[in-house]
Amino acid sequence: NAGVMQNPRHLVRRRGQEARLRCSPMKGHSHVYWYRQLPEEGLKFMVYLQKENIIDESGMPKERFSAEFPKEGPSILRIQQVVRGDSAAYFCASSPQQGPNQPQHFGDGTRLSIL
Amino acid sequence: TQLLEQSPQFLSIQEGENLTVYCNSSSVFSSLQWYRQEPGEGPVLLVTVVTGGEVKKLKRLTFQFGDARKDSSLHITAAQPGDTGLYLCAGGASGGSNYKLTFGKGTLLTVNP
Repeated sequence: NAGVMQNPRHLVRRRGQEARLRCSPMKGHSHVYWYRQLPEEGLKFMVYLQKENIIDESGMPKERFSAEFPKEGPSILRIQQVVRGDSAAYFCASSPQQGPNQPQHFGDGTRLSIL
Repeated sequence: TQLLEQSPQFLSIQEGENLTVYCNSSSVFSSLQWYRQEPGEGPVLLVTVVTGGEVKKLKRLTFQFGDARKDSSLHITAAQPGDTGLYLCAGGASGGSNYKLTFGKGTLLTVNP
């Protein structure tokens, strides 16, 4: 999965702390998508961003979660005041354009564990 | 809510055998993507199919998108141990939200030497 870079690969936080997950898309890709994979469940769409814009955040919890994709730098998924239920693998994907024939390429994810 | 059901959930076969895994839904999708995921890694894209009835071949793998764009299958010929992994299908939503992928839970394939 060289291309879409996510860091950190593993992140441990205590309840109430903040978690910041970073994603650098593939070179030339300006569309970023975040997904969450809970144990025993499939990947679930969270949010879709283009540079400096949130296009669709319908899959993201309304509270404590936020995402950004600034003009410079990686996309950030931020979780405030983490709870045990936030423990999951968070994957970022990118595509060069948006559309049904535009495949999404995934990073290796960040495994978030909440103590 | 669109759902994708994958079957079988687990499949263990011997090297050289053929197999088919299925991805079914009652919803219409704008596209269907197949991925393979290894433990501790992200999904790796295998193929994207867009047109109903479309068939794509990738060496020993054959992918088919149903005529009604509600289902898909992946057929592997002469499976090898290197094919072992979790196979995921993902459907793109219809209409303006076609970037929003709905994933199945996957088929965990084990190919024994």
